[in-house]
Amino acid sequence: GQNIDQPTEMTATEGAIVQINCTYQTSGFNGLFWYQQHAGEAPTFLSYNVLDGLEEKGRFSSFLSRSKGYSYLLLKELQMKDSASYLCAVRDSNYQLIWGAGTKLIIKP
Amino acid sequence: GAVVSQHPSRVICKSGTSVKIECRSLDFQATTMFWYRQFPKKSLMLMATSNEGSKATYEQGVEKDKFLINHASLTLSTLTVTSAHPEDSSFYICSASTKPYEQYFGPGTRLTVT
Repeated sequence: GQNIDQPTEMTATEGAIVQINCTYQTSGFNGLFWYQQHAGEAPTFLSYNVLDGLEEKGRFSSFLSRSKGYSYLLLKELQMKDSASYLCAVRDSNYQLIWGAGTKLIIKP
Repeated sequence: GAVVSQHPSRVICKSGTSVKIECRSLDFQATTMFWYRQFPKKSLMLMATSNEGSKATYEQGVEKDKFLINHASLTLSTLTVTSAHPEDSSFYICSASTKPYEQYFGPGTRLTVT
């Protein structure tokens, strides 16, 4: 079957760095997405990776290794507003999105 | 647990026709369902929020007469794209929720209007 695994919850300290991992097993691969979602709001797009390597965008970076079925989202200089759920999703060969359950990130002062 | 299905997974229709997309929560009851449109390689745009038994709340800029949403039960919501046009071609995703942090997404429906 197809599945996406990511940790359920993580805790980090304001100003620190946190890495949220995502591993996937899908039928084919047509890109991996990371979204941020605050409670009660729609998800916000963070990144899209289709080739191996690191994509950096400000404080957020996303890494992909297709051979390992692995991605991570790296958040630097954490701020309290980064407390949210982070969703990993993979588009398979049928162009369907397979979603992870999301990682709830808690930032402490 | 917490599986959300969508049907159909992809559909091709002619311009001017209507298409219905179903979203089902298979193993839980969803008090709220959301409909999104995903633009290529990018962002998810929230179209509307629907609560079982009440009218959907549409986001600004989304035509409620064009995108009809029905949330008939705690496990089923439907999105009907009426009088579809090629610019409506997109990837439509639903999600179902019981709590704010516990939102589960469906696999999406790819709509192509010719």
